[in-house]
Amino acid sequence: DVKVTQSSRYLVKRTGEKVFLECVQDMDHENMFWYRQDPGLGLRLIYFSYDVKMKEKGDIPEGYSVSREKKERFSLILESASTNQTSMYLCASSSGTMYRGNTEAFFGQGTRLTVV
Amino acid sequence: AQSVTQLGSHVSVSEGALVLLRCNYSSSVPPYLFWYVQYPNQGLQLLLKYTSAATLVKGINGFEAEFKKSETSFHLTKPSAHMSDAAEYFCAGGYQKVTFGTGTKLQVIP
Repeated sequence: DVKVTQSSRYLVKRTGEKVFLECVQDMDHENMFWYRQDPGLGLRLIYFSYDVKMKEKGDIPEGYSVSREKKERFSLILESASTNQTSMYLCASSSGTMYRGNTEAFFGQGTRLTVV
Repeated sequence: AQSVTQLGSHVSVSEGALVLLRCNYSSSVPPYLFWYVQYPNQGLQLLLKYTSAATLVKGINGFEAEFKKSETSFHLTKPSAHMSDAAEYFCAGGYQKVTFGTGTKLQVIP
C-alpha cells in the first residue's frame, strides 16, 4: 500500500515561531503537494513539487515555503507562524508526469496545527 | 480557470435511502475528475475517478458517478446509504493541479 506519512498529527506553536511540517512518501512518486483544509473552504493548494528541488506555488503560498531535497520528502515551512495559519494541513503524493492529471493523489493523515 | 463546485455543504439521508451528492465542473476542466472521501480525523482516500473511458464510473463501497458533459456534472450516487457512509466527500478535477470542491458532509440517519 502507498503510504504518505506526516510527522505530527497535532502541533501547537506560538506566534512568530518557525514551523516545519514534514511529509514522507514510500512509493517513489514524482509529485507531492501541500494543502490546507478549513471548514467551508475545502482543500486549498499551498505548494506542489513535481521533482526534487522543483516547486511551484499553489493558490495560497503567502507565508509558506517548501523544500524538497529528496524525492520521498516534502517539507512545508511556516516562516513566522501567525494565528490565521491555524488549520489542518494535508500532504499528498501522486505518480506520473506533471502534465497528466489522471492519477489519483494519496493523502497523509493530516497535521492539525494550532498557532497561539 | 478550472474549478469544481459542490452543491450543498451538508446532506442528510436516512439509512437505506439513495445518496446523491452533486458536483459541477467548469468547462475548462479537462475530463479528469475524482471523488474522494474523508472519514473523521483521517486523510482523503479515492472513491472513484473519471478518465474518459466510460461515462459511468464505479467506485469503492458501492458508490458510482456519472459524467454528463452536456450538464458539466459529475454527481456521486449510492443506491442505499449505510451508517458507515457518514463522512465528508470532495469532488476534485484538474490537470497539472487538482482543484477540490468545498466538500459535502453526509449524515446518515438511522
